[in-house]
Amino acid sequence: ILNVEQSPQSLHVQEGDSTNFTCSFPSSNFYALHWYRWETAKSPEALFVMTLNGDEKKKGRISATLNTKEGYSYLYIKGSQPEDSATYLCAFWVNRDDKIIFGKGTRLHILP
Amino acid sequence: EAQVTQNPRYLITVTGKKLTVTCSQNMNHEYMSWYRQDPGLGLRQIYYSMNVEVTDKGDVPEGYKVSRKEKRNFPLILESPSPNQTSLYFCASSLQGPDYNEQFFGPGTRLTVL
Repeated sequence: ILNVEQSPQSLHVQEGDSTNFTCSFPSSNFYALHWYRWETAKSPEALFVMTLNGDEKKKGRISATLNTKEGYSYLYIKGSQPEDSATYLCAFWVNRDDKIIFGKGTRLHILP
Repeated sequence: EAQVTQNPRYLITVTGKKLTVTCSQNMNHEYMSWYRQDPGLGLRQIYYSMNVEVTDKGDVPEGYKVSRKEKRNFPLILESPSPNQTSLYFCASSLQGPDYNEQFFGPGTRLTVL
C-alpha cells in the first residue's frame, strides 16, 4: 500500500517567523508531486507541481524542494503572515496507474 | 471564468435513495477526478478519468459509480447511499494527467446520509 506522510500534523508559528514542513513518499514509482494550499471553507489550490529530482520552485514567500531518490519534499514559508494560515497538502502521483495519493496535510496556524 | 462547478453544494438524504452529484469544467480538461474528505483521513481518490469514456477506480471506489460521456462532465453516482458515505466530496480537473498539470478543484459537496 502506497503511503504519503506529512509532518508535522499541526504547526503554530509566530507572525514574521519562517517555517518548513515535510512530505515523505515512496521513492520508487515516482512520477510527480503536487503541493496544495487549503484554506478553511474553501477548495484546495495548487502551489507547485514538481517532477524532477532536485527541483526547487518558488512563489512569493513560499518555496519547495524535491528529493525523489530519498522520497521527500520540503515546503518553506518565509516571514509567515496571517494569510498563510491554512492546511498544506502534498499529493503523490503514481505513474503506473494514474492514481493520486494525498497526504493528510500540515495544518499551519500563524499567531499574531 | 475558468472553473469547476459541483451541484448540489449541500445534500441531506436517506439511506438507499439514489443520488447524483454533478461536476462540470469549462477548461477543456482531459483528466477529472472525485475525492472524499473525512476528518483525520485526508483526501482520498474515489474515481478518475483520463478522457472521455475512460474511467478508473481510485483508492475508495466501493459504493460509487461515475461516467464520462462528455469531456466537460463527470458525475458521481451513489446508487444506494449509506451513512458511511457521509463526507465532503470534491471534484477536480487538470489539463491532462496530473504529472505536469495542477488540479483545479470544485467548491465541494457536503453530503449527509441519514
